[in-house]
Amino acid sequence: ELKVEQNPLFLSMQEGKNYTIYCNYSTTSDRLYWYRQDPGKSLESLFVLLSNGAVKQEGRLMASLDTKARLSTLHITAAVHDLSATYFCAVVPGNTDKLIFGTGTRLQVFP
Amino acid sequence: KAGVTQTPRYLIKTRGQQVTLSCSPISGHRSVSWYQQTPGQGLQFLFEYFSETQRNKGNFPGRFSGRQFSNSRSEMNVSTLELGDSALYLCASSLWGATNEKLFFGSGTQLSVL
Repeated sequence: ELKVEQNPLFLSMQEGKNYTIYCNYSTTSDRLYWYRQDPGKSLESLFVLLSNGAVKQEGRLMASLDTKARLSTLHITAAVHDLSATYFCAVVPGNTDKLIFGTGTRLQVFP
Repeated sequence: KAGVTQTPRYLIKTRGQQVTLSCSPISGHRSVSWYQQTPGQGLQFLFEYFSETQRNKGNFPGRFSGRQFSNSRSEMNVSTLELGDSALYLCASSLWGATNEKLFFGSGTQLSVL
């Protein structure tokens, strides 16, 4: 059974600090997506990673994909309060055409 | 360009009833996919429609069904509602497919089953 696990599940961090969210998945996949969800709101696409070694950056967020390790990371640099949200990774298992979401990481940034 | 529109925003139903949710994708998008979000199970894929055909289906009982019209608008139906169907139902649209490119999500329909 495919598992997409994120850790940590909850993250409380101070403004200005750096941190990394990890997304591990249990089957082969060469497509991985990161989404953000604000409380009570819908999901917003952050990154689309389509190959091994892909790295994408936007603002204080940088995502990478290692398909051999079945691992993606979302690195936060110098966090600010506006980054407070829940972050989801999602993968497409190699033998299906379905999008499977991770457990989500709830991030809270405080002053 | 208008985003993905879901109606209604909130619904309250009782067990045994049925419900229909609507989703209007971004103009020009041909793929509409549906997801259920609950605190316990997280985000789960329900099904995807492309050009009026169901292309993929998640692991949900037959009580969950959907369809897509020629204008790409989609509806999702849940029959014989159970308490466990209480969830936020999200639809998303894309040009070619839910697994080939980023998705644009609607605001969701919050369904409460009493």
